[in-house]
Amino acid sequence: GQQLNQSPQSMFIQEGEDVSMNCTSSSIFNTWLWYKQDPGEGPVLLIALYKAGELTSNGRLTAQFGITRKDSFLNISASIPSDVGIYFCAGQRDSSYKLIFGSGTRLLVRP
Amino acid sequence: EPEVTQTPSHQVTQMGQEVILRCVPISNHLYFYWYRQILGQKVEFLVSFYNNEISEKSEIFDDQFSVERPDGSNFTLKIRSTKLEDSAMYFCASSSPGWASGNLGTQYFGPGTRLLVL
Repeated sequence: GQQLNQSPQSMFIQEGEDVSMNCTSSSIFNTWLWYKQDPGEGPVLLIALYKAGELTSNGRLTAQFGITRKDSFLNISASIPSDVGIYFCAGQRDSSYKLIFGSGTRLLVRP
Repeated sequence: EPEVTQTPSHQVTQMGQEVILRCVPISNHLYFYWYRQILGQKVEFLVSFYNNEISEKSEIFDDQFSVERPDGSNFTLKIRSTKLEDSAMYFCASSSPGWASGNLGTQYFGPGTRLLVL
């Protein structure tokens, strides 16, 4: 129903590499958000997507709202050590302000 | 840049005790939320609050939980009789007013309160 399947669960990459992660659901969402969480801190908003097909960038980050409204991906280009953290997708459905979170992608970057 | 603040950052309590977690949302926001995150797990929605009443709540938000906006700036979560399984990070969030703003659901999160129930 309202579960978000986020993959991969973790990634260990070399500094400078590009990274891609995605979220899928069997349900339609009208908003997709991507957050980054550092240990012991709150989720920090990276990118917000409001329309199907929308492609939005924030520096080295690019995210897209899937055309079916059931998925979204996040790309990070030229990763750096400070990209380390847990990345969460979150979706919001019509008539609800509740955010449904994915299970997170843990990113480790090797200098 | 405006941000959501939460106090305390850490709280240790005995099982059965009442705790109150406090939040100061971003000043022009009108929608307020509480989420929790059990260690190593994903963030889970607890409750949303608008116009001085609960607009939506999850099955986790049972009768032990309550929320209040006691004044124009604070938003609180009370757990009346804590249980061991209430141990988690609790995040407050707030969002922009109304659909017309274009920010339909951009929720900004506070740094969290880590609650440990012994």
